[in-house]
Amino acid sequence: DAMVIQNPRYQVTQFGKPVTLSCSQTLNHNVMYWYQQKSSQAPKLLFHYYDKDFNNEADTPDNFQSRRPNTSFCFLDIRSPGLGDAAMYLCATSRDGLSGGVLDTQYFGPGTRLTVL
Amino acid sequence: AQSVSQHNHHVILSEAASLELGCNYSYGGTVNLFWYVQYPGQHLQLLLKYFSGDPLVKGIKGFEAEFIKSKFSFNLRKPSVQWSDTAEYFCAVKENTGFQKLVFGTGTRLLVSP
Repeated sequence: DAMVIQNPRYQVTQFGKPVTLSCSQTLNHNVMYWYQQKSSQAPKLLFHYYDKDFNNEADTPDNFQSRRPNTSFCFLDIRSPGLGDAAMYLCATSRDGLSGGVLDTQYFGPGTRLTVL
Repeated sequence: AQSVSQHNHHVILSEAASLELGCNYSYGGTVNLFWYVQYPGQHLQLLLKYFSGDPLVKGIKGFEAEFIKSKFSFNLRKPSVQWSDTAEYFCAVKENTGFQKLVFGTGTRLLVSP
């Protein structure tokens, strides 16, 4: 089945040690998103790629970076994780993001739960 | 800025009870509306969505939602819940102008007791 895949499902890192989370999709969607979801909170958009165009949210810390080497893959890099970065990180995709219609529907991966020691 | 309010943070129901979860948003223009569900240990799944047309939208697993534009609401309903509906439910709204981000509510945790 076509889907959004995230690896690993659980990631433990040390304070200040860089970590990379990965997302892949078989949906051939143009847009890929990264969200941060802390316990009992709503998912918060960090950034998205529309094809190769990177779009950062204004309040996303510089500590968070992203790469999209091709249509299928997108990576979230946390350069120096702090204790406050422990969260679930969700990847999502949509066919489009501009049409305002059904193509904007986002499909989510299972998430990666990041623990910072 | 766009905001989404889900009034009930925790709901506990017995099986066969009826469910209504509230969702209100703040944007006055044209919006796309979504309900997502997150079962324990699983990823966010789309329950239903509204883009245009009939304001009563039917989704998967017997859920439906009604868009009431005058009330800026998109409440989720199910006439008879099952134990397997135990999950967290998120309402999300997206402005229908160019690229706008999906804004989520804080979620409602539903516990259905057998």
